[in-house]
Amino acid sequence: AQSVTQPDIHITVSEGASLELRCNYSYGATPYLFWYVQSPGQGLQLLLKYFSGDTLVQGIKGFEAEFKRSQSSFNLRKPSVHWSDAAEYFCAVGDSGGSNYKLTFGKGTLLTVNP
Amino acid sequence: DGGITQSPKYLFRKEGQNVTLSCEQNLNHDAMYWYRQDPGQGLRLIYYSQIVNDFQKGDIAEGYSVSREKKESFPLTVTSAQKNPTAFYLCASSPTSTTPGEQYFGPGTRLTVT
Repeated sequence: AQSVTQPDIHITVSEGASLELRCNYSYGATPYLFWYVQSPGQGLQLLLKYFSGDTLVQGIKGFEAEFKRSQSSFNLRKPSVHWSDAAEYFCAVGDSGGSNYKLTFGKGTLLTVNP
Repeated sequence: DGGITQSPKYLFRKEGQNVTLSCEQNLNHDAMYWYRQDPGQGLRLIYYSQIVNDFQKGDIAEGYSVSREKKESFPLTVTSAQKNPTAFYLCASSPTSTTPGEQYFGPGTRLTVT
């Protein structure tokens, strides 16, 4: 069964600093990978996705992520964090086989941004 | 203005009562999903539906029921059999569940049972 691990439960960075959120997945075939962001009490918004091709994908709000098959990772990065980036971030892997396509989510990383 | 609506945003019930959470989408998506979110647990899939009048259990379906009588609507009933119903519930949709694609989420309903 597929699974997603986000090793960091909570990360604190200063505004303007760079950010990297880690995501490791377990899946036998080529994964479909996603990063979502959730503000408190809100739904999830898609930041970016990887299906195939270029392993460095660009998303909204200045985020990017790199797929590394050899490390089973899909880490999210941003060169300079803004206070508005404070939120919870979820990595997800999609099942690329079978008749019913579903997502499996990690448990999330809460990002705090200090002024 | 296309999207997913969930109502109400906050819901309070007494233990032993069934409660139904609403989810409506006007994105013309075939697939719809219900997730439960608890602090530190991520999202866990309750039920999903690929087409009208068809739905499948997810990972934590016990104590929940759903219906899909219309493409636009996928209500979730939290029954009295659900042992720990207090949680944040998220509805999502995607164009289809037979090919990969992102899911679009509603704003959520926070259910408190006392």
